[in-house]
Amino acid sequence: KAGVTQTPRYLIKTRGQQVTLSCSPISGHRSVSWYQQTPGQGLQFLFEYFSETQRNKGNFPGRFSGRQFSNSRSEMNVSTLELGDSALYLCASSPQGSTFTTYEQYFGPGTRLTVT
Amino acid sequence: AQSVTQLDSQVPVFEEAPVELRCNYSSSVSVYLFWYVQYPNQGLQLLLKYLSGSTLVESINGFEAEFNKSQTSFHLRKPSVHISDTAEYFCAVSETGGGNKLTFGTGTQLKVEL
Repeated sequence: KAGVTQTPRYLIKTRGQQVTLSCSPISGHRSVSWYQQTPGQGLQFLFEYFSETQRNKGNFPGRFSGRQFSNSRSEMNVSTLELGDSALYLCASSPQGSTFTTYEQYFGPGTRLTVT
Repeated sequence: AQSVTQLDSQVPVFEEAPVELRCNYSSSVSVYLFWYVQYPNQGLQLLLKYLSGSTLVESINGFEAEFNKSQTSFHLRKPSVHISDTAEYFCAVSETGGGNKLTFGTGTQLKVEL
């Protein structure tokens, strides 16, 4: 099976702009989670989607949003970009069933976002 | 809320020597535990996991970790490291019934030297 893919791999944006990142999970995986990785804050959970519904959310401002499509692909959007949003954004998929139990997550290579 | 502590930010070790990377967690409920490895400019790779059953879990490349509930620890060990093990290692926890929300430690940079 192909792994988790993320596009684009690298992105440079200007403060105030918005950005959309895309994630395609492993075939058959229905849960997609997003994480932000920075040198200062480390790895932080953004949100999780399952069957097109957000069912877990981290402590990030409303500028960070996401969605999931019927084919389980997911996008995250960051509006009004700030310098502090520069980070590696990681997507992870999980072979989760309909019950809210934990399974292992498989990560993509990430999208490196630089805000100037 | 849960938290994870990785006390060692960097661990230098010579090739073929044993290594232990420490991980302690805090949670008010039962947890699942994971170790992930990150090579430069790459995403995270699952190294091993504890979901239930035997408290000693092993990976295919020689790493092992033991879940110790009384000490709230999940230390990662390898009896003999290789240069290719040089990477950053992250311990993570999720709460039972909490879905896939992972809380990560700050990571430990393992540097294997000749």
